[in-house]
Amino acid sequence: GENVEQHPSTLSVQEGDSAVIKCTYSDSASNYFPWYKQELGKGPQLIIDIRSNVGEKKDQRIAVTLNKTAKHFSLHITETQPEDSAVYFCAAPTAAGNKLTFGGGTRVLVKP
Amino acid sequence: SAVISQKPSRDICQRGTSLTIQCQVDSQVTMMFWYRQQPGQSLTLIATANQGSEATYESGFVIDKFPISRPNLTFSTLTVSNLSPEDSSIYLCSVAEIMGYGYTFGSGTRLTVV
Repeated sequence: GENVEQHPSTLSVQEGDSAVIKCTYSDSASNYFPWYKQELGKGPQLIIDIRSNVGEKKDQRIAVTLNKTAKHFSLHITETQPEDSAVYFCAAPTAAGNKLTFGGGTRVLVKP
Repeated sequence: SAVISQKPSRDICQRGTSLTIQCQVDSQVTMMFWYRQQPGQSLTLIATANQGSEATYESGFVIDKFPISRPNLTFSTLTVSNLSPEDSSIYLCSVAEIMGYGYTFGSGTRLTVV
């Protein structure tokens, strides 16, 4: 099955700086890569996703890049704000395409 | 995207008892999933809830411990049986959107077993 690894496990940045989280996956057939943000006491919220036919996608201050050859994808948050503090998860589907495997998560702390 | 209502949001249960968690979706969805998130950990898939048939369980999860029902395309329940303190976790319902690849999550049920 799919194996997803996520780094780093914790990330502390100064407000206004950028944050980058990286994930690798094992199944070369995977074609959809979502990122979730989970705040304390809440369920994961989809913040951005990318399909395998594009290399980069942006949505305001967040972007995701995909390198299918190397089988890794990254989340980029620019101009970080205190409200970006949360746990972020990457995920990738199984070969059958109907179940998500999650990375271990990254706890991001934005210091004012 | 689909809106998920998950109940209860939290509960404290005695060991040896059971808790049933409900997941209601505001639209028909093809696939519904149940996840467990242990304290400070990532999400682990328990099973896929199949409408009108038995759920499909992942390795390490069994029907006797986690019975699941899905009577229609908008509703599912997960029961956590014979509770022990090790079952203290957040349990999450998720659905796959019919259009596109998106997966939406409920707000979760925080279970504490004492």
